[in-house]
Formats: sequence, C-alpha cells, structure tokens
Amino acid sequence: EVQLVESGGGLVQPGRSLRLSCAASGFTFDDYAMHWVRQAPGKGLEWVSGISWNSGSTGYADSVKGRFTISRDNAKNSLYLQMNSLRAEDTALYYCAKDQYQLLSQIAFDIWGQGTMVTVSS
Amino acid sequence: QSALTQPRSVSGSPGQSVTISCTGTSSDVGGYNYVSWYQQHPGKAPKLMIYDVSKRPSGVPDRFSGSKSGNTASLTISGLQAEDEADYYCCSYAGSYVVFGGGTKLTVL
Repeated sequence: EVQLVESGGGLVQPGRSLRLSCAASGFTFDDYAMHWVRQAPGKGLEWVSGISWNSGSTGYADSVKGRFTISRDNAKNSLYLQMNSLRAEDTALYYCAKDQYQLLSQIAFDIWGQGTMVTVSS
Repeated sequence: QSALTQPRSVSGSPGQSVTISCTGTSSDVGGYNYVSWYQQHPGKAPKLMIYDVSKRPSGVPDRFSGSKSGNTASLTISGLQAEDEADYYCCSYAGSYVVFGGGTKLTVL
C-alpha cells in the first residue's frame, strides 16, 4: 500500500524550532519529487516547499524562505522539514505529498499523508 | 506569489454539470501546462482529480474534466453526484514555486 505518514508536529512557542518527518512506503521513494503543503485551520491549501528526487533542487514559498529547510534521505525513504523562527502564522496542518514527477518543473501531488498539526503559540 | 482566483462557492443539482474556474497570470496558469485540481472532503487529505490541465489519474471518474484557456483553467464536473460535494482547489506550477487557488466549495443541492 502506498503510504505517507507525517510526524513531529506539536505545540511550540514563537521563535522556536520544530522538525517534521514523513515516512514513505509502497513506492520507489527516490524516483519522485516530494513536497510539504500546509493548511491553516479553516483555510485553503498553501504550498510550502518541494525537493527533487535527488535533492538537486529545492523550492520554497516566500512566506517560509530563509526559515524552513526541506531535505530527504532516500536510503531511509524519508522527507523532512526543519522549521526555525516559527511564527503564529505558521500554525497549520502540514501535509507531506508525493509528486508524480522527479523534478520540480512539473507538479502533480498524487499521494498525500494525513498531516501533522503544528501550533505556534505562547 | 499571489494565490490563484477561484469562486468561493458553486452549486448544482444531482445530474447537472458545474464548472469551477481558476484564474492566474501568464507567470503561472497561462505560462505552463501544469495545472492540477484537488478534491478535499471535510477532515480528509486532498485527492488529485486532474493533472497537466486535463489528464485524469486512474480511478477518477470521467465525469471530471479539465481545460485551460489563456490564464484561466477550469474544472467541469458532469452528472453531479452527492459525493462530489467537497472543496476543490486548483494548483499551478509557476516557475520557481507552486501556487494554489483559494478553494471552491461545491454544494450539491
């Protein structure tokens, strides 16, 4: 079964850091680009970051650029998101999503996890 | 990185057809053929319904179709069914980033 399972969310104070993880199974992880997409409570979807199959290219939304870092470990079939200098507006459900393609020049999120909630509050 | 523009809500009766528009710019929707559409039921993860403007993943009913003209993409759902009631989001590649629409709530009357 193709599956993505996120972990690492929780309650964190503004200015602190958090690292999200996404464990992939059921497909050849290193054949595809991967992404993080978030959804604030009651709001729409927002792309956060993406990484190509071999980590050769990465992309970030302006709202997180310079604070978040995406990475992957193909040997462990895992995707990560290091989130620093967290703000209240980063509060959201963070989804891990598999792309249909290898590179970041074509986009189609065909598999999604169930998400991990991040709450930034003092 | 401005969000794509979608109507906040659309509605239709069972058996009817509805079309959801998604308007961007020449830097995103109009510039690339990488528009995708996602269906999201309450409390669930999004599901890919259309990719590359008009392609359907296996398992998605052919009642769902996509198209694009200039800077506007469209999702058409024909033969509406009760289970189609959900939020729908368009998404486009934009060169160095990805942008979603604000979402459209589809109500089946």
